[in-house]
Amino acid sequence: RKEVEQDPGPFNVPEGATVAFNCTYSNSASQSFFWYRQDCRKEPKLLMSVYSSGNEDGRFTAQLNRASQYISLLIRDSKLSDSATYLCVVRLARGAGNMLTFGGGTRLMVKP
Amino acid sequence: DAGVTQSPTHLIKTRGQHVTLRCSPISGHKSVSWYQQVLGQGPQFIFQYYEKEERGRGNFPDRFSARQFPNYSSELNVNALLLGDSALYLCASSLVEGHEAFFGQGTRLTVV
Repeated sequence: RKEVEQDPGPFNVPEGATVAFNCTYSNSASQSFFWYRQDCRKEPKLLMSVYSSGNEDGRFTAQLNRASQYISLLIRDSKLSDSATYLCVVRLARGAGNMLTFGGGTRLMVKP
Repeated sequence: DAGVTQSPTHLIKTRGQHVTLRCSPISGHKSVSWYQQVLGQGPQFIFQYYEKEERGRGNFPDRFSARQFPNYSSELNVNALLLGDSALYLCASSLVEGHEAFFGQGTRLTVV
């Protein structure tokens, strides 16, 4: 079983749609959680950290359920520029530095 | 300010050869980590260095090695290249361990 699992998609949605991505992680000792965005043939960039209380950044909302070991990302009012691969990322422990574990990514394509 | 810079951007090598990839972290960042991203998959952790010491190693064979220099730049070395080593190699830096990781644009290695 992969340590971080995501539906690879692609998710094809029209502009203005709301889309949700899910992710599960296997190690209950995981401490920090993130969503990264990766455009085609580019490097990953941090989209947002994910906190237990849930957090929102504009059109993006992230949720964490530690009991179910489940992370989600909701994108409202999708824009063409949201088309990218979204990577669910977990850090095992506070002392684990930059030893990040990535999911395989979920590809989003927003159509006009 | 310059971001994380990696060189070269593209590289073609023959099976059995060795390769050295280079990374310069963001100025002031002391932690550097390396990831391998095979096409269609998420990045996989290879090494992390902090203050010139190895702090973590992923599940990669001994053909992979790395080091960090006094100026915090880093090299990743891969010996006896295999076709399966073809991938995007990403370097990430952070101010200290556990802080946000910023990725370079990567080195795309093709082994033929």
